[in-house]
Amino acid sequence: LAKTTQPISMDSYEGQEVNITCSHNNIATNDYITWYQQFPSQGPRFIIQGYKTKVTNEVASLFIPADRKSSTLSLPRVSLSDTAVYYCLVGAYTGTASKLTFGTGTRLQVTL
Amino acid sequence: EAGVTQFPSHSVIEKGQTVTLRCDPISGHDNLYWYRRVMGKEIKFLLHFVKESKQDESGMPNNRFLAERTGGTYSTLKVQPAELEDSGVYFCASSQWGSGSYNEQFFGPGTRLTVL
Repeated sequence: LAKTTQPISMDSYEGQEVNITCSHNNIATNDYITWYQQFPSQGPRFIIQGYKTKVTNEVASLFIPADRKSSTLSLPRVSLSDTAVYYCLVGAYTGTASKLTFGTGTRLQVTL
Repeated sequence: EAGVTQFPSHSVIEKGQTVTLRCDPISGHDNLYWYRRVMGKEIKFLLHFVKESKQDESGMPNNRFLAERTGGTYSTLKVQPAELEDSGVYFCASSQWGSGSYNEQFFGPGTRLTVL
């Protein structure tokens, strides 16, 4: 499985855009990139997934360059409630029945 | 629609005792997973059920851990006898077979297990 590297922590003020970059230098051709969010005392929650270029949903955007060796999760105008740990996961698509491999994640702290 | 539920939310036991954790997946989800995070470590996969069958149990640490999924509905994870290093948060997740986004698993809130 491709190893991912993320910053351990990030700080932001409310209302700012936050970009969290994940490195996955040995990503394989059939690997997808998935981001999860985890609030304290809760289980992780799926945010977004992509293979290449840009993906956007109601929560976030995911930017993936052509070489796919990194990806950036973009959270627009964060609020205090976005304070959480964000995980970048890389794994092959084998349907919906694949185990997830979590790294250490990025702890985002949003303040006023 | 109810999410994944886990019981109990917290459990404190003494070393050598037995504990059983329960997970109720989202109704209709054939895939059920167990993960755990021990103190200061990453969330690690334990095992995966497809309905009542164990699809992948490569993450189970040793034979003190026994997981079952009766009738393909809820699942239990029994630790017997519990050791100090078993302390951590145990997460259950479920996903629907053949559903939309790859790897979108729905997690429960976790059971915090403390072994004294």
